[in-house]
Amino acid sequence: DLVMTQTPLVSPVTLGQPASISCRSSQSIVHSDGNSYLSWLHQRPGQPPRLLIYMISKRFSGVPDRFSGSGAGTDFTLKISRVEAEDVGVYYCMVATQPTWTFGQGTKVEIK
Amino acid sequence: QVQLVQSGTEVKKPGASVNLSCKASGYTFTSNYMHWVRQAPGQGLEWMGMIYPRDDSTSYSQKFQGRVTMTRDTSTTTVYMELSSLRSEDTAVYYCVRDNWAFDYWGQGTLVTVSS
Repeated sequence: DLVMTQTPLVSPVTLGQPASISCRSSQSIVHSDGNSYLSWLHQRPGQPPRLLIYMISKRFSGVPDRFSGSGAGTDFTLKISRVEAEDVGVYYCMVATQPTWTFGQGTKVEIK
Repeated sequence: QVQLVQSGTEVKKPGASVNLSCKASGYTFTSNYMHWVRQAPGQGLEWMGMIYPRDDSTSYSQKFQGRVTMTRDTSTTTVYMELSSLRSEDTAVYYCVRDNWAFDYWGQGTLVTVSS
């Protein structure tokens, strides 16, 4: 079974400084159509997750440009160029490899 | 605008079933898969399965095969998720999520508590 491993699990960050989260898949995530459906989600306490990045690097509507996604093959990264207070919460990577959808275990971003 | 509105909190006894609903609006209901994802207290996200409203086809996580049934009603643009033989480990918030090549819109979540 596909496993998505995120590091770190907890990321203490300083406001205004960059942050980075890694997501590694246990096997190639390239879909049969040639695309890689790797997404990043952000969840604040008590709220549903919201989509930040899809297809590795595309920002979803309304997502600030301080968020960026990159990667290929089995290694993917979410970067926040300058962390703001509203960015705290848990970040998940997820991948669609039909017929299953798999989430990483989550990375908690907190302010130092 | 796309909206997914889920039914309210449920409290069930072990062994019972729960049937959750998710009403979609703001887009063509039959154009997108709908998924169900759950989150146990303090835990991560877990994919349960999906339904394609256009043809009623479904695909379930092996973990829930035999216990979960997803259906839809195109007249009311609502999807349903029934989970049977509930146990305490099924206590979680359950989300419906629209699939548009990514999980782009999420319902507000429904808390299901399983307790004797």
